[in-house]
Amino acid sequence: GEDVEQSLFLSVREGDSSVINCTYTDSSSTYLYWYKQEPGAGLQLLTYIFSNMDMKQDQRLTVLLNKKDKHLSLRIADTQTGDSAIYFCAEAYTGGFKTIFGAGTRLFVKA
Amino acid sequence: GAVVSQHPSWVICKSGTSVKIECRSLDFQATTMFWYRQFPKQSLMLMATSNEGSKATYEQGVEKDKFLINHASLTLSTLTVTSAHPEDSSFYICSAGTATYEQYFGPGTRLTVT
Repeated sequence: GEDVEQSLFLSVREGDSSVINCTYTDSSSTYLYWYKQEPGAGLQLLTYIFSNMDMKQDQRLTVLLNKKDKHLSLRIADTQTGDSAIYFCAEAYTGGFKTIFGAGTRLFVKA
Repeated sequence: GAVVSQHPSWVICKSGTSVKIECRSLDFQATTMFWYRQFPKQSLMLMATSNEGSKATYEQGVEKDKFLINHASLTLSTLTVTSAHPEDSSFYICSAGTATYEQYFGPGTRLTVT
């Protein structure tokens, strides 16, 4: 079945890099996403990567995809206190809109 | 662009009453809208997928008679929680999109049933 797993917590110091990891089980996934959720708010799409890509960089964000291991990671460079939030990994596949979310990783950034 | 709004942002209702939540795509037409439910400190659970002009597709375990979804236009979908009970208290989030990788989320509606 479809499943997306993430570690629940990550704590980093301001200025350091954060790496949030995610594993998924559906090899037919076409799209993989990272969303950010701040307290009491909806989800903000941070970035996405197609399954035929290995890496995508967007300013401070770097997404790495290892299809063989079904592993996705999000690296945030120069992490700021404003980056403190919950980060959700999600997968979807062509032919359906259904998006499967991980449980979310709560990122704490210490000043 | 690509803004999705929800109304209300929070609502308190008495047990046994019904409450309607609206989801609007403000600056684009959404062929498909999704309704999610999120419990505290948990992930989003997809409740149903609605396509404009057709019946919603509910996920397994979601009672379609309790959670009524109407998608009357390309910019509006509504979720009505009928005969609400305290266990229906949750954060309800909608999303709208025209393609899988272009799914935009609303800010969510916090429902509290007393």
